[in-house]
Amino acid sequence: GDSVTQTEGLVTLTKGLPVMLNCTYQTTYSPFLFWYVQHLNEAPKLLLKSSTDNKRTEHQGFYATLHKSSSSFHLQKSSVQLSDSALYFCALRATSSGQKLVFGQGTILKVYL
Amino acid sequence: GPKVLQIPSHQIIDMGQMVTLNCDPVSNHLYFYWYKQILGQQMEFLVNFYNGKVMEKSKLFKDQFSVERPDGSYFTLKIQPTALEDSAVYFCASSSTGRSSYEQYFGPGTRLTVL
Repeated sequence: GDSVTQTEGLVTLTKGLPVMLNCTYQTTYSPFLFWYVQHLNEAPKLLLKSSTDNKRTEHQGFYATLHKSSSSFHLQKSSVQLSDSALYFCALRATSSGQKLVFGQGTILKVYL
Repeated sequence: GPKVLQIPSHQIIDMGQMVTLNCDPVSNHLYFYWYKQILGQQMEFLVNFYNGKVMEKSKLFKDQFSVERPDGSYFTLKIQPTALEDSAVYFCASSSTGRSSYEQYFGPGTRLTVL
């Protein structure tokens, strides 16, 4: 079945450094990928989404490119801020899975001064 | 932006009791979802609901689970009877359409503890 893998459970960084959170997926159907961010005690919010191969999508300083050849949709930011500390989920919606989202396990990003 | 509300934020009940989790979706949304997240694990799809009907459900959506949205009010998840393994955070989501590109808006979750 469809699946999403996020390899890092926790990423800790100093403010101002670049970050990449990994996301790979498996599906035999056409994928739509999402990144959600969840701050403490808040609802998960959509950060980025894409279904277009090899096209970079950006929002709030974060960016990701869907690469169907490697089944990846890594999240990047060139300079992290303290306010970026949160839980990040990668999610897949494949045409075979109807309307449901398939989530990765999530990556906690902690940014320090 | 649009917000999904969930009531209560925490619920503690004894095994075997009934519990109802309430979700107030975005006002013009037509599709509704429940997801379950056990501590330390990924969020998993339970069910989605449209036009008064369950459209799709996962194997996690046991016979003890039911959903409804009476008269356009809260979208509810009822568990009767509850079991220890039902302890989790339950997230409600809604979307305006069922198309892949449309965002699912999530609530902050209800943490259910079954003793």
